[in-house]
Amino acid sequence: NAGVTQTPKFQVLKTGQSMTLQCAQDMNHNSMYWYRQDPGMGLRLIYYSASEGTTDKGEVPNGYNVSRLNKREFSLRLESAAPSQTSVYFCASSEAGTGPYEQYFGPGTRLTVT
Amino acid sequence: GIQVEQSPPDLILQEGANSTLRCNFSDSVNNLQWFHQNPWGQLINLFYIPSGTKQNGRLSATTVATERYSLLYISSSQTTDSGVYFCAVVTSGYSTLTFGKGTMLLVSP
Repeated sequence: NAGVTQTPKFQVLKTGQSMTLQCAQDMNHNSMYWYRQDPGMGLRLIYYSASEGTTDKGEVPNGYNVSRLNKREFSLRLESAAPSQTSVYFCASSEAGTGPYEQYFGPGTRLTVT
Repeated sequence: GIQVEQSPPDLILQEGANSTLRCNFSDSVNNLQWFHQNPWGQLINLFYIPSGTKQNGRLSATTVATERYSLLYISSSQTTDSGVYFCAVVTSGYSTLTFGKGTMLLVSP
């Protein structure tokens, strides 16, 4: 049982390049989330998917797109990377579509945009 | 939106000391989690505690939902307790976590 896995662990992009961050969970959870963490701050929600087939914007969605590929996988895409998107990105999952259920986090992807 | 404030922002302890971290929130919640982010950046779930008291080894947590705060107690601290401790909440009617800015803890030998 791997929990929540993310690829890649590290990535360096040039301004304007695109990339997709991958996330998968093996806990049969319905809900999945993408967060970013900037230095000295807590995590901020980018997008989430309450259940397969649905996605919603979080606090900081600009510059990102997401795809809920199936129940296990939720990807985050940067179409044209900007230096302001330099951050650590975390994926998380939880049991239910809506409600207060505990969230579990992946190991993170450290992204640098030059 | 809901505000989550953690105190103190930084804490330095000698190994073996006890500490209390506080999390205040501005609205009613139906989920509260405490996390430890270790020096390698990994987020570790400590407690899921929307109300009441829980204990896990040297760590315990108490949430008083009616007064809108939660406390994390660390007893007999060890160097491996170093890192950042985050409180995060879900407000009623929502399903997404709002994080505080964390308490950075350094335990020296």
